[in-house]
Amino acid sequence: GAGVSQSPRYKVAKRGQDVALRCDPISGHVSLFWYQQALGQGPEFLTYFQNEAQLDKSGLPSDRFFAERPEGSVSTLKIQRTQQEDSAVYLCASSLNAYEQFFGPGTRLTVL
Amino acid sequence: AQTVTQSQPEMSVQEAETVTLSCTYDTSESDYYLFWYKQPPSRQMILVIRQEAYKQQNATENRFSVNFQKAAKSFSLKISDSQLGDAAMYFCAPHGTGKLIFGQGTTLQVKP
Repeated sequence: GAGVSQSPRYKVAKRGQDVALRCDPISGHVSLFWYQQALGQGPEFLTYFQNEAQLDKSGLPSDRFFAERPEGSVSTLKIQRTQQEDSAVYLCASSLNAYEQFFGPGTRLTVL
Repeated sequence: AQTVTQSQPEMSVQEAETVTLSCTYDTSESDYYLFWYKQPPSRQMILVIRQEAYKQQNATENRFSVNFQKAAKSFSLKISDSQLGDAAMYFCAPHGTGKLIFGQGTTLQVKP
């Protein structure tokens, strides 16, 4: 079956622009996670959904970051008024049981 | 808060030899899972092996095995018969309260 997909794979934004990153989880996976990975570092947790409910958003770095999963499937991570420090790879993962997580290829965001 | 330490930023192994990557962690959870993930250059995160903390037996997955010392909070990964395709960044990731906590990673180089 299909794995986790993310789009776009690459995004270049000018500072101050808004961006939206999409994640399509594995069909049937109720849990969905977003992580931010800076170059050469380990991923850091941003937020977590179980179905459409956002159970943990403690990792979102500021109120410019917003995530949603309105129908319990596809999720969108939105970053408003992007800044250079937002440049990173954004990883999405899905899970059937919230433990074993399967990752997508990521979206590499570059803010100029 | 959970913390993860991977004390070896880089490791090198000769093809067909064995290498061990170390990981220590701190958690207040009594029941949890631990994972090792592999991330090849510019490619997505792949699950290598998982360990349930309540199991005393160390997990094994083909050429990959772990040495899990619960009291010491140590979770090392052993790769036997190393292959060129094993070259990647490896992350140790305990699971706690709905999210994975990643270490800084160990870059493994495999020499032919």
